[in-house]
Order: sequence, then C-alpha cells, then structure tokens
Amino acid sequence: QSALTQPPSASGSPGQRVTISCSGSASNIGSDTVNWYQQLPGTAPKLLIYSNYQRPSGVPERFFGFKSGMSASLAIRDLQSEDEAHYFCASWDDSLNGPVFGGGTKLTVL
Amino acid sequence: EVQLVQSGTEVKKPGESLKISCQGAGYDFTTFWIGWVRQMPGKGLEWMGIVWPGDSQARYSPSFQGHITISSDKSFNTAFLQWSSLRASDTAMYFCVRLGPGGMAADGVINPIFDYWGQGALVIVSS
Repeated sequence: QSALTQPPSASGSPGQRVTISCSGSASNIGSDTVNWYQQLPGTAPKLLIYSNYQRPSGVPERFFGFKSGMSASLAIRDLQSEDEAHYFCASWDDSLNGPVFGGGTKLTVL
Repeated sequence: EVQLVQSGTEVKKPGESLKISCQGAGYDFTTFWIGWVRQMPGKGLEWMGIVWPGDSQARYSPSFQGHITISSDKSFNTAFLQWSSLRASDTAMYFCVRLGPGGMAADGVINPIFDYWGQGALVIVSS
C-alpha cells in the first residue's frame, strides 16, 4: 500500500486533456512538494514535473502540475500517442522518514 | 551530457552476495547525492537509500535498512548497491538516480527530484 494514492489507470483520446490525481496526507503532500515521473514502456523513469509545477528543460508545456492541500494532480493537454506511459507522483513523507512514490497510473491513449 | 551507466543483468541464487554499480559521467560526481530505486516486476517505484559520493555517507529507507549496503568510490565516479544474502523477493529492476539541485534540505529532508536515471539493472534471484 503506497503512501500516495493514484488511480491505476487513465485514458483519453488524442487532442484531449487528461488529469491524473495523487492523494496523500499531512505527513507528505500536505507538508512537502510533489514531483512527477513519466515511465515509457521498457525505459527508466524520467523527471516530468518537480516542486509541484516546475518543468525541467525539454518537457513540453502540455504537461503541468498543481497541488492543493493534501492532493496533487498532473494534467496533460493536447494528448498525444507518445504520452502513453506510466506516471508516478513522489514526495517526502515525515512519518516514514523518506521519499515515497505513488503506485503509478497507466495512461492509455485511445 | 550527464549520464549514469549501470552494470548489467545479474542472475543469482538465494543466499548469494551481489554488488551492482552505477558510474556517473558529464558532471562533478562528488557534488550530487546518488540514490537507488527498486521496481519489482509490474510494480511501482520504491526509494531504497542514498549516498554522498564525497565521503560515502549513506542513508537508508527503513524498509531496506540492514538488508542492503550503499557505498561509493569517488576515484571511479561510481556508486554501489550490495547485498550479502539475496532473497527471491529481491528480484527486481534497480535504478540509480541523481538527486537534483535543491533535493537535499539542510534538515535532511529529501525532496525526491531525481533528475537523471541510470538505464536500470535487472537482478533475478532464483534457485
């Protein structure tokens, strides 16, 4: 059972907007920032969003993150076929004394 | 270009020991923490621990403390993850990661901004 809860799956059609949620608690998201990772099939994860909404160089503006209270979300607009991947949220957890990841969401582009 | 290059696939028996490596290139290896993340087959990501290559100071997730050892050799820009006695449940893909700028706070809180990842090392433990 992950400290951060994500829906196991999400889907959308090309061109649509999709949102993936990450629900935590006061000991993690409620008190620290959230990062998001994209893992394409058969590859290592890649940093997609850090510190709630910042995008590393090279990440398209179609990806954006936001946080409110003890939850965070990753939104992808203008969905493209190459966005089909697993997405993981991550944060620090005071109770577990370490970084924690969400269980991951598999995004399918229909 | 920043790169983390990991050692290859390992097939071991339960009870055997193992040490896998992660070599950094393209940046000053001694000035960024290097961590390890486990991904069991078909599952999510788990943070295992982290090492400061400058002095090999290591910190561990409580879930892995006592079962693994994380170390580094700055002469070779390399970090290591080792087990003295493997279990079948250690079968997984292991990624080394670089903790990016701002990732380590003065009070020891780790903001998991893992900005570079190794390609992964598959470890299979089976009798």
